[in-house]
Amino acid sequence: GAGVSQSPSNKVTEKGKDVELRCDPISGHTALYWYRQSLGQGLEFLIYFQGNSAPDKSGLPSDRFSAERTGGSVSTLTIQRTQQEDSAVYLCASSFGDQPQHFGDGTRLSIL
Amino acid sequence: AQSVSQHNHHVILSEAASLELGCNYSYGGTVNLFWYVQYPGQHLQLLLKYFSGDPLVKGIKGFEAEFIKSKFSFNLRKPSVQWSDTAEYFCAVMRGLTGGGNKLTFGTGTQLKVEL
Repeated sequence: GAGVSQSPSNKVTEKGKDVELRCDPISGHTALYWYRQSLGQGLEFLIYFQGNSAPDKSGLPSDRFSAERTGGSVSTLTIQRTQQEDSAVYLCASSFGDQPQHFGDGTRLSIL
Repeated sequence: AQSVSQHNHHVILSEAASLELGCNYSYGGTVNLFWYVQYPGQHLQLLLKYFSGDPLVKGIKGFEAEFIKSKFSFNLRKPSVQWSDTAEYFCAVMRGLTGGGNKLTFGTGTQLKVEL
């Protein structure tokens, strides 16, 4: 497709389970970002990938969060041993050069 | 730490009313500024951006924003809102990341509801 694609669109899981969220960026975009949008808060930066460089993980809230980007394209955000405070909308964005970021529709994660 | 403040969390207007949403940032260096909009059920979309030059920038759908460096502000305006402008609006500041690329720091958003 033409835009950033994220899956699943919704995920409900039990506390303590692991979850994987997927992002397929726009073809040709070298930069990929993950953000989190919690109720009543703004969008919080999590992690950034640029080409083959080491990712900037400065926004990850704990070591339960990790992300990979395979082949410079698709990215997976993994949350281990989920907690209720992890409930949020997780957004992925991609960009090329200095151009503005394009966002996906997000994954709404609910931890029971 | 760099932050972005949007003081209006919820705004309700009647159609044809004028709109101004406040945005202030705390960062002393060169900034790139954005307004994003999220319509109900849709993804975030870029409304307008300021990188340099004319501090009054025009965006899509009749929106504009003015960068006032001395006030660290980038307020969003529209002379006459429409029902279809009902959405959540986010101000964002961009700064560079080590190794290249950019990080957007967002405000908490303003929920705008336009009534007929």
